[in-house]
Amino acid sequence: DAGVIQSPRHEVTEMGQEVTLRCKPISGHDYLFWYRQTMMRGLELLIYFNNNVPIDDSGMPEDRFSAKMPNASFSTLKIQPSEPRDSAVYFCASSLKRGGQNGVLFFGEGSRLTVL
Amino acid sequence: AQSVTQPDIHITVSEGASLELRCNYSYGATPYLFWYVQSPGQGLQLLLKYFSGDTLVQGIKGFEAEFKRSQSSFNLRKPSVHWSDAAEYFCAVGAGNFGNEKLTFGTGTRLTIIP
Repeated sequence: DAGVIQSPRHEVTEMGQEVTLRCKPISGHDYLFWYRQTMMRGLELLIYFNNNVPIDDSGMPEDRFSAKMPNASFSTLKIQPSEPRDSAVYFCASSLKRGGQNGVLFFGEGSRLTVL
Repeated sequence: AQSVTQPDIHITVSEGASLELRCNYSYGATPYLFWYVQSPGQGLQLLLKYFSGDTLVQGIKGFEAEFKRSQSSFNLRKPSVHWSDAAEYFCAVGAGNFGNEKLTFGTGTRLTIIP
């Protein structure tokens, strides 16, 4: 089975530009998470979805960030406009609540964003 | 709200030596506890988890962890490390109805292995 697939792996953009990160979760998983990893703040949960519905977006830093999950196999995290402090590695993870798999997150390889 | 503390930012051990990585958590109810490992340039991978039952849990790659409620700890151990164990290790605590939502991660411990 394919794992969680994220694109792009690397993105370099200039301040003020729009950035869209994409994620394809593992087929059949009913939870999808977006995390951000920086040296200063570690791993932060930004938002998560259950069955395509956003459950908790309290970790989204500000209105410049938005996330959608239009169907079970695709999610996007958008930053508009981007700022240098958004530079980080963004991880998507998916999981399955049933079958004793609670909390077992499967992570993608991450999207490294650099905002100049 | 739950929290996790990993007091050691960086640990260096010799290949073949034993390893213990510390993790302390704060959570008002019975926690769901996890250890994840991250190799450079990769996402995180689950090593092991504790939900209930036996407080000593076995994971992949020869790792084990022991849940000690009285000490609010969930330390990771390995009797003999291999060079391939060099990575960053994250402890996490889960909350929510079934421990699935809102995993809170510690800041990580970077493990260096010397020959």
